[in-house]
Amino acid sequence: KQEVTQIPAALSVPEGENLVLNCSFTDSAIYNLQWFRQDPGKGLTSLLLIQSSQREQTSGRLNASLDKSSGRSTLYIAASQPGDSATYLCAPTGNQFYFGTGTSLTVIP
Amino acid sequence: GAVVSQHPSWVICKSGTSVKIECRSLDFQATTMFWYRQFPKQSLMLMATSNEGSKATYEQGVEKDKFLINHASLTLSTLTVTSAHPEDSSFYICSAPRTGGAGDTQYFGPGTRLTVL
Repeated sequence: KQEVTQIPAALSVPEGENLVLNCSFTDSAIYNLQWFRQDPGKGLTSLLLIQSSQREQTSGRLNASLDKSSGRSTLYIAASQPGDSATYLCAPTGNQFYFGTGTSLTVIP
Repeated sequence: GAVVSQHPSWVICKSGTSVKIECRSLDFQATTMFWYRQFPKQSLMLMATSNEGSKATYEQGVEKDKFLINHASLTLSTLTVTSAHPEDSSFYICSAPRTGGAGDTQYFGPGTRLTVL
């Protein structure tokens, strides 16, 4: 069974800082890996999707990398803003979805 | 730990038939559950928010008459794909939040893969 670990579990940074969220997974037989954000009481919002054949994807201030062989993905957020405060989840996907427990990010104005 | 189950895990049906997918929170109650779908090579997208005892809230572009959601109890939400067509073939996943001392933790079902012939 796929096991997904996200580090750190919680992160608090001042506005403007660049930050990195880490995701590791045990089974490299995945089709893709997705990063999501979740706001309190809301459903998931998809941020980035990396196909298994790709190494990174970028969207605005977000950049996600994937090293499938080592079972690692990182989400890089540049110039963080208070609106980035949320829980971030990674989900390596094979025949099923497996979600990490998330990193709770707080960006302090 | 908290577990969310989905049934069936996969289903194949003929075009024009209806398919019901169940989402259950096994050891906690959930007044809200979320339904998502993912088409091949695309991101997981939120379809609707299921609310126990009231109508579901649908995301823009999701047909509420086609995707019927019933949250009949605090542990069960169902998604019925009515008059399914091949373009409805997708991976459907649900999630349920559990409130704890540190806030809500979202638990996800393993998903249901629907293939419409």
